Amino acid sequence: NAGVTQTPKFRILKIGQSMTLQCTQDMNHNYMYWYRQDPGMGLKLIYYSVGAGITDKGEVPNGYNVSRSTTEDFPLRLELAAPSQTSVYFCASSYTGELSNQPQHFGDGTRLSIL
Amino acid sequence: AQSVTQPDIHITVSEGASLELRCNYSYGATPYLFWYVQSPGQGLQLLLKYFSGDTLVQGIKGFEAEFKRSQSSFNLRKPSVHWSDAAEYFCAVGARGGSQGNLIFGKGTKLSVKP
Repeated sequence: NAGVTQTPKFRILKIGQSMTLQCTQDMNHNYMYWYRQDPGMGLKLIYYSVGAGITDKGEVPNGYNVSRSTTEDFPLRLELAAPSQTSVYFCASSYTGELSNQPQHFGDGTRLSIL
Repeated sequence: AQSVTQPDIHITVSEGASLELRCNYSYGATPYLFWYVQSPGQGLQLLLKYFSGDTLVQGIKGFEAEFKRSQSSFNLRKPSVHWSDAAEYFCAVGARGGSQGNLIFGKGTKLSVKP
């Protein structure tokens, strides 16, 4: 069971470039999340999805877009990369939004540098 | 607003010594409480969680945490630290009955273990 898989693991972008961070899960989880982790900070929620076709903003959505066309995949897109988006990005999933049922499972992260 | 405070940014303990990592939360009611561990280059792994009932919860790898409502705390403990416990530890809270299912994280405590 692979769990939550993120690709790529590392990426360097130039300012203004665009890219998509991939996230896929094989646990048939309905809920998926994108967090960013800045040095010395906890994780902050960027976007989340409660099911295919449904997405919503988290705490820090500016500069990002998401889509959820399937249950398994939840890609995160950066349209115009900025140095402030240098961070480690984590994707997570859970079966429901009720955390007592099943807590979130995390991927290993994508380390992104914008130069 | 909900928040999580981990007062200690970095803690160093000797192998075999006991460990306590502090976590305080601000929340309107009793939240769900979690401790996650992040090894270098890895994603977050759930150590333990508190939902209800016994305020002392046992987790994996010999960790335990105690929920103290009067102090709004959920401190993590281990009686004897092993070198492999060196990692970053995150406390998180989640809403009861929430529809989002997202977590609010503290900034983390980095644990170093001396031989």
